[in-house]
Amino acid sequence: GESVGLHLPTLSVQEGDNSIINCAYSNSASDYFIWYKQESGKGPQFIIDIRSNMDKRQGQRVTVLLNKTVKHLSLQIAATQPGDSAVYFCAEGQTGANNLFFGTGTRLTVIP
Amino acid sequence: GAVVSQHPSRVICKSGTSVKIECRSLDFQATTMFWYRQFPKKSLMLMATSNEGSKATYEQGVEKDKFLINHASLTLSTLTVTSAHPEDSSFYICSARRTFEGEQYFGPGTRLTVT
Repeated sequence: GESVGLHLPTLSVQEGDNSIINCAYSNSASDYFIWYKQESGKGPQFIIDIRSNMDKRQGQRVTVLLNKTVKHLSLQIAATQPGDSAVYFCAEGQTGANNLFFGTGTRLTVIP
Repeated sequence: GAVVSQHPSRVICKSGTSVKIECRSLDFQATTMFWYRQFPKKSLMLMATSNEGSKATYEQGVEKDKFLINHASLTLSTLTVTSAHPEDSSFYICSARRTFEGEQYFGPGTRLTVT
């Protein structure tokens, strides 16, 4: 399968600061990328997605950046709050294919 | 909208027994459902993909005779872990997709412990 990895397994930030979570992928055929948030004992929750014809997409307090040249994806969370503490996964997929491949996850801890 | 439920949320069973986990799309029809497995502090690993009314497609290394998947309706898929062993203890998560290229909506997961 495809390899989707994260640069940092853990990230601690002060409340109110911005967080940046990174993800590398290896399948150049992937054209759909998603960030998920998973709290302890729960299923993943969709945060934001981006297609390969875009390099940036913004949501509420979150921004995803896609650099296809270096196969890199990042999630930026503005004004990080304690409720943002969770594990964040990136996932990649291809149009027309069923599967999503998940990265290893980054645990974000927000320090009050 | 797009809520996916799983039942049970937690189950403990004895080694050698079978356990069934249900995944339901509550407010939409899911043409495709996915089953994932997640070990502690690890990522989600896709086990199988099931389309309503057809046989599931299993990922490499997943035993189809051990992990039986049934997707009998557009709102229900079941995963049965047969002859469970302690190494089958894990967090099992399903997801459902409304259309072929739609977003996957995840269930809350089922924690299986085999003693």
